Amino acid sequence: AQSVTQPDIHITVSEGASLELRCNYSYGATPYLFWYVQSPGQGLQLLLKYFSGDTLVQGIKGFEAEFKRSQSSFNLRKPSVHWSDAAEYFCALQRGDSGYALNFGKGTSLLVTP
Amino acid sequence: GAGVSQSPRYKVAKRGQDVALRCDPISGHVSLFWYQQALGQGPEFLTYFQNEAQLDKSGLPSDRFFAERPEGSVSTLKIQRTQQEDSAVYLCASSPLTGAYNEQFFGPGTRLTVL
Repeated sequence: AQSVTQPDIHITVSEGASLELRCNYSYGATPYLFWYVQSPGQGLQLLLKYFSGDTLVQGIKGFEAEFKRSQSSFNLRKPSVHWSDAAEYFCALQRGDSGYALNFGKGTSLLVTP
Repeated sequence: GAGVSQSPRYKVAKRGQDVALRCDPISGHVSLFWYQQALGQGPEFLTYFQNEAQLDKSGLPSDRFFAERPEGSVSTLKIQRTQQEDSAVYLCASSPLTGAYNEQFFGPGTRLTVL
């Protein structure tokens, strides 16, 4: 099975605090993994991607993610959250078929408090 | 530069009506995907085109859903006899190449509400 699980539906953090969003995957081969952000009324914007190589991946807006094969995880992190980071975050796994379409998790909604 | 555009952005339909949703991918992009995003859920794959060929339609929920991309650029997703369960945001994405390693660029989506 090719699936993605995001265990946290909602997360609230204070502005300036650190952030970690969890993502677990199930895939039989080397996974290609992505994190997208979706703001209200906006399309999905790619934050970062992992294909191979370094397990710590840097993305846009100060985000990074670490691929851990032993834990089947690809958690997203940011050292200091800004109010503008409030949005819905989706982890996705590239399928091995269907033109390499994406299987998404259900998303984590991030709320940033003053 | 121009990204993926979709129209209309919002569509309200009465149950039983037919609707057509349009996607303009980034010029020259070979691959085109449609996804359905129900409220509070992640996007789910509907169908995939490589140029004008529809290579995978395994995600289409029923035979009321039909997609086309006749000239390998603009794509239309048509839903016949809409039902309330069709209410969702429909996302289109394009990619410059085929195969793995390719980033998908998403449009803003069309929010369909079926009354």
